[in-house]
Amino acid sequence: NAGVMQNPRHLVRRRGQEARLRCSPMKGHSHVYWYRQLPEEGLKFMVYLQKENIIDESGMPKERFSAEFPKEGPSILRIQQVVRGDSAAYFCASSPPRNTEAFFGQGTRLTVV
Amino acid sequence: GNSVTQMEGPVTLSEEAFLTINCTYTATGYPSLFWYVQYPGEGLQLLLKATKADDKGSNKGFEATYRKETTSFHLEKGSVQVSDSAVYFCALSGAQGGSEKLVFGKGTKLTVNP
Repeated sequence: NAGVMQNPRHLVRRRGQEARLRCSPMKGHSHVYWYRQLPEEGLKFMVYLQKENIIDESGMPKERFSAEFPKEGPSILRIQQVVRGDSAAYFCASSPPRNTEAFFGQGTRLTVV
Repeated sequence: GNSVTQMEGPVTLSEEAFLTINCTYTATGYPSLFWYVQYPGEGLQLLLKATKADDKGSNKGFEATYRKETTSFHLEKGSVQVSDSAVYFCALSGAQGGSEKLVFGKGTKLTVNP
């Protein structure tokens, strides 16, 4: 059973471009969480999704950021018109339906130049 | 709202030294408490957890006890190894049993020298 897979591992974007980060949860996991880790900081919750539903997006910036978890395929975190302040490591975690332990992916490190 | 405060680092120890990383929390209700470890360039791995007061989580020689009276979950290890060098995060979740969104401390970087 493969772990949580995130790709790409590293992503470089110029200011104003779009960034798409992908997360494939572990098999059997229908809950996905996205977190952002700024340099020298802990992880901050962004959004919690179940298949085809956003359950809690209280940590998402109001503009430019969106997330989805379609019925088929990976969860996508999309950042439009990136700015330098979006440079961070973005981690995805997944858990099975009954809210037990969450498993983390290796993260996508986004650099905006 | 919920928050976690953990000991600022970095912490540098010699091999076989005793480790304590302090963690206190503020939360409504009865959170579950976790310690995660992050090795360089990697994601987070769950190290141990406790879901109710007085529970002790343990793994790989690390221990932490859920103390409701002091709202603490300090991480300890009796004899650290070079391979324990990593960043350690204390975290809580709002739902009993874990795995709603996690609230993390800022992390404590541990370096163990031979």
